[in-house]
Amino acid sequence: GAVVSQHPSWVICKSGTSVKIECRSLDFQATTMFWYRQFPKQSLMLMATSNEGSKATYEQGVEKDKFLINHASLTLSTLTVTSAHPEDSSFYICSAGPPSNYEQYFGPGTRLTVT
Amino acid sequence: AQTVTQSQPEMSVQEAETVTLSCTYDTSESNYYLFWYKQPPSRQMILVIRQEAYKQQNATENRFSVNFQKAAKSFSLKISDSQLGDTAMYFCAFMNMGNQFYFGTGTSLTVIP
Repeated sequence: GAVVSQHPSWVICKSGTSVKIECRSLDFQATTMFWYRQFPKQSLMLMATSNEGSKATYEQGVEKDKFLINHASLTLSTLTVTSAHPEDSSFYICSAGPPSNYEQYFGPGTRLTVT
Repeated sequence: AQTVTQSQPEMSVQEAETVTLSCTYDTSESNYYLFWYKQPPSRQMILVIRQEAYKQQNATENRFSVNFQKAAKSFSLKISDSQLGDTAMYFCAFMNMGNQFYFGTGTSLTVIP
């Protein structure tokens, strides 16, 4: 199956700083990628849809100025958590799939801890 | 908006026995996909089984099978011959035609030796 990677797998940052998380499709091109957040012992919640070459679309309640998404190429989407606070500590997971194919592959996730 | 409901937060089953995990969903869309994912402690999402809504035949994948009732918007997962490695969190998920996933709250399954 197709592979989606994320980097870093774990990051610790201080409150008020920004942190960037990368999502890459390794063996296919993806015009659309998706970002999810999972709090401990909870489900995955869709945050936003990342569109190559255009603005991301955000789910209701997700602050687009806080969670900046850039989909600069067909294999890379980045999520930047700006001015991070402890309540942003969570597990962030991306998914991607080849165009015209109703298959999605999940990355291994990134654990963000804000101190 | 899509909602996915899993009413069993925790379940346990004896090794080699059969267990069924429940899932219901709500949508106004006519075309969609349904999934069961397994999330072990590593938190990597692992696809268990997938069902296309337009297919009436229930999907099967080795020891895993689903009971898809489209009219009732029900999508349960049956695990036969349960193995210790099946212990994990299981999420039922709805995917729309835009490839966006909506997940249930999960069922924590423990297989008892």
